[in-house]
Amino acid sequence: AQSVTQLDSQVPVFEEAPVELRCNYSSSVSVYLFWYVQYPNQGLQLLLKYLSGSTLVKGINGFEAEFNKSQTSFHLRKPSVHISDTAEYFCAVSDPSADYKLSFGAGTTVTVRA
Amino acid sequence: NAGVMQNPRHLVRRRGQEARLRCSPMKGHSHVYWYRQLPEEGLKFMVYLQKENIIDESGMPKERFSAEFPKEGPSILRIQQVVRGDSAAYFCASSPPSPGVGDTQYFGPGTRLTVL
Repeated sequence: AQSVTQLDSQVPVFEEAPVELRCNYSSSVSVYLFWYVQYPNQGLQLLLKYLSGSTLVKGINGFEAEFNKSQTSFHLRKPSVHISDTAEYFCAVSDPSADYKLSFGAGTTVTVRA
Repeated sequence: NAGVMQNPRHLVRRRGQEARLRCSPMKGHSHVYWYRQLPEEGLKFMVYLQKENIIDESGMPKERFSAEFPKEGPSILRIQQVVRGDSAAYFCASSPPSPGVGDTQYFGPGTRLTVL
């Protein structure tokens, strides 16, 4: 079974500064990896996903993530954040043999300040 | 296109009562997934349903919990005789009729259940 660790529960950041959200997973098999964002009072929305191929994945709203198999990590980055990026971010993993069964981290709350 | 709808958004029950959580998938979607988020934890998979079929319920507690997705109407997650440990956020997600590899699940805003 897979598990996901999001290393930071809260990340405060100033507007136009870069941000990195860390995600590590544990699994003995190959995995699919996802980042979701949840804005207040809304459902989780997919930012990006890694299934195979290039280890650098680009998503919506200027976010990108890099899959590092040797470090079992899938960190999310954005070079310049906006106030509207204030939200909770969830990293998730699934086993390709049952790819619908997502396992999520506990989430990272990003607060962007002017 | 309306997203995944869940109601109620907040539900308060006393110990021993029943809780019914509803999920209407996105238009055209016929696959539904339920997840539970306990305080300070990530979402955990509970059950995967298609219309009138339970495909995988490996994440469902063995007792008191049941789920259905009838031919007509929303999917229902039912918790009988609730206990304080059932207090959590319950999220529903849906995907299209023939989900592909690693296909995207579209999530609703969740139902926050509080058991007094």
